[in-house]
Amino acid sequence: AQKITQTQPGMFVQEKEAVTLDCTYDTSDQSYGLFWYKQPSSGEMIFLIYQGSYDEQNATEGRYSLNFQKARKSANLVISASQLGDSAMYFCAMRRYSGGGADGLTFGKGTHLIIQP
Amino acid sequence: NAGVTQTPKFRVLKTGQSMTLLCAQDMNHEYMYWYRQDPGMGLRLIHYSVGEGTTAKGEVPDGYNVSRLKKQNFLLGLESAAPSQTSVYFCASINPGLSYEQYFGPGTRLTVT
Repeated sequence: AQKITQTQPGMFVQEKEAVTLDCTYDTSDQSYGLFWYKQPSSGEMIFLIYQGSYDEQNATEGRYSLNFQKARKSANLVISASQLGDSAMYFCAMRRYSGGGADGLTFGKGTHLIIQP
Repeated sequence: NAGVTQTPKFRVLKTGQSMTLLCAQDMNHEYMYWYRQDPGMGLRLIHYSVGEGTTAKGEVPDGYNVSRLKKQNFLLGLESAAPSQTSVYFCASINPGLSYEQYFGPGTRLTVT
């Protein structure tokens, strides 16, 4: 079974600072994907970034980057130059691709990020 | 192109009542999923479907049934609602051959009193 651990229940960060949200995962699969989702107070799930287990380079999407350390089984999200609109819950999730890849996502409990002006 | 839609957006049920949540997607996606989100928790998988007429259990399937009679629709049923089923329910879909991203619906907030 897979497991996602997010050890930071809440974080306060000053606007314009960089933020690192921690995520560690546990799986015995060789082929898997790692995801980060943002959930603002309005409740929708917004996809941010994806990293495949065989991708050699860290994924980047605009101000978001994923610091993927496979040997440590960590997939930290880095937000550069944080903005007030970044205040939200952030979820790390994993999907395995073995067995047909139909399994859904396994989520962590999330980190509540608050950006202060 | 509406993406993934969920009906209803909000619902209050009394213990023992039944209801069906509807998820619809217009992206011709093969796989569809139902998750629930409880306070302080991430989403947990209830049931999923890899195609029309097929369903499978996820992590927390007890108390729920699902059906996928049409490719674009995935229904989640509660036969006898319990207060423990108070939650926000999210539907998601994916076309595994084209994309890794799961597209989520806006959620249904269900309260069982």
